Amino acid sequence: QITLKESGPTLVKPTQTLTLTCTFSGFSLSASGVGVGWIRQPPGKALEWLSLIYWDDDKRYRPSLKSRLTITKDTSKNQVVLTVTNMDPVDTATYYCAHRRVYGGDCFDYWGQGILVTVSS
Amino acid sequence: EIVLTQSPGTLSLSPGERATLSCRASQGVSSSYLAWYQQKPGQAPRLLIYGASSRATGIPDRFRGSGSGTDFTLTISRLEPEDFAVYYCQQYGTSLLTFGGGTKVEIK
Repeated sequence: QITLKESGPTLVKPTQTLTLTCTFSGFSLSASGVGVGWIRQPPGKALEWLSLIYWDDDKRYRPSLKSRLTITKDTSKNQVVLTVTNMDPVDTATYYCAHRRVYGGDCFDYWGQGILVTVSS
Repeated sequence: EIVLTQSPGTLSLSPGERATLSCRASQGVSSSYLAWYQQKPGQAPRLLIYGASSRATGIPDRFRGSGSGTDFTLTISRLEPEDFAVYYCQQYGTSLLTFGGGTKVEIK
């Protein structure tokens, strides 16, 4: 059974760096075809893809946010970490991590419950 | 960037009725790499359809995806009470993954 869970601060101040951890079980991020992505959703708005890391350590970022995002993996801990620098109130959103569907392209078949991050002074 | 436009924004229907949701892409989606998700309030999205027309594991057959190129459709043949939710399409044919703005299916 595949599960994912996001953890991190729920309140950050403007200009601070956000560090979110996705802890997962039921799969290995060293297995061919596996990937974990981050997607966010501002309150009442649509989903927005941020980043994706693959089993071979290939990484993808949303171009408009690339300078602020870093994604890493720790296969021994079954974790993926996303950092977002220079946080702004417009970054207030629920942040989800999700399992990439293996052998079928970059859609997401298992999602974490999400973590609401508020950016406010 | 491929922009996905979903219509209508809101669909008001009764249980048992048929729902037809549209997702239009600003340019062709390669290999029909188009997915549909369902999201209920306070919950994470759930994958319904991938590859434009393949149902994900455990998805009932009243959900059907169709289309190719720039025009895609999600059809729910007979709405059940648990189907009232927001639906998003997502394209994954390019390295920049994009989602549509969503269609809310509400009870009439």
